[in-house]
Amino acid sequence: AQTVTQSQPEMSVQEAETVTLSCTYDTSESDYYLFWYKQPPSRQMILVIRQEAYKQQNATENRFSVNFQKAAKSFSLKISDSQLGDAAMYFCAYRRGGATNKLIFGTGTLLAVQP
Amino acid sequence: GAGVSQSPRYKVAKRGQDVALRCDPISGHVSLFWYQQALGQGPEFLTYFQNEAQLDKSGLPSDRFFAERPEGSVSTLKIQRTQQEDSAVYLCASSPPFSMNTEAFFGQGTRLTVV
Repeated sequence: AQTVTQSQPEMSVQEAETVTLSCTYDTSESDYYLFWYKQPPSRQMILVIRQEAYKQQNATENRFSVNFQKAAKSFSLKISDSQLGDAAMYFCAYRRGGATNKLIFGTGTLLAVQP
Repeated sequence: GAGVSQSPRYKVAKRGQDVALRCDPISGHVSLFWYQQALGQGPEFLTYFQNEAQLDKSGLPSDRFFAERPEGSVSTLKIQRTQQEDSAVYLCASSPPFSMNTEAFFGQGTRLTVV
């Protein structure tokens, strides 16, 4: 079975600084997708960034980028120039390729941004 | 509507009471998922619909949980004889006709508290 592990329950960063959130996963599949979701107090999951396993290039979305190490099964999220609005729970998630496409989530990292 | 809509946003139920949680997916989205998110945890998959067909219900924790989507649009998650361990946020997500890059769009969830 696939698993997703986030070993940092809480992280803190100063406004305008950079922070990296860690995620590791375990799978025997070769075709899969990895995601980072943001969950603010409103509870709505918002997709931050997505990485296809077959792509070697790390995904980037504005201030958000990932470090995808396929052999190590590691998928970390880097947030640059942190803003107060980035404060939220961040979940790493895995989805195997195929028809089911359910998401398997980690336990989350609570990110605080200090002004 | 513009997004996935869930109602009610909050529900308090007495132990043993039956509850029904509603999800209105984005128009045209054929896939619909339900997830259960316990306090301090990541969401866990409950069940999956493709149109009106329930293709995967492997995550439903007991036979007290029942989901339906009779016309392939609105879905209802029903919990019979609620117990305290059912207290959680129930998230609904929908996605367009399946492709490898399909993104799941989440609602704001229903917070169920069983007292």
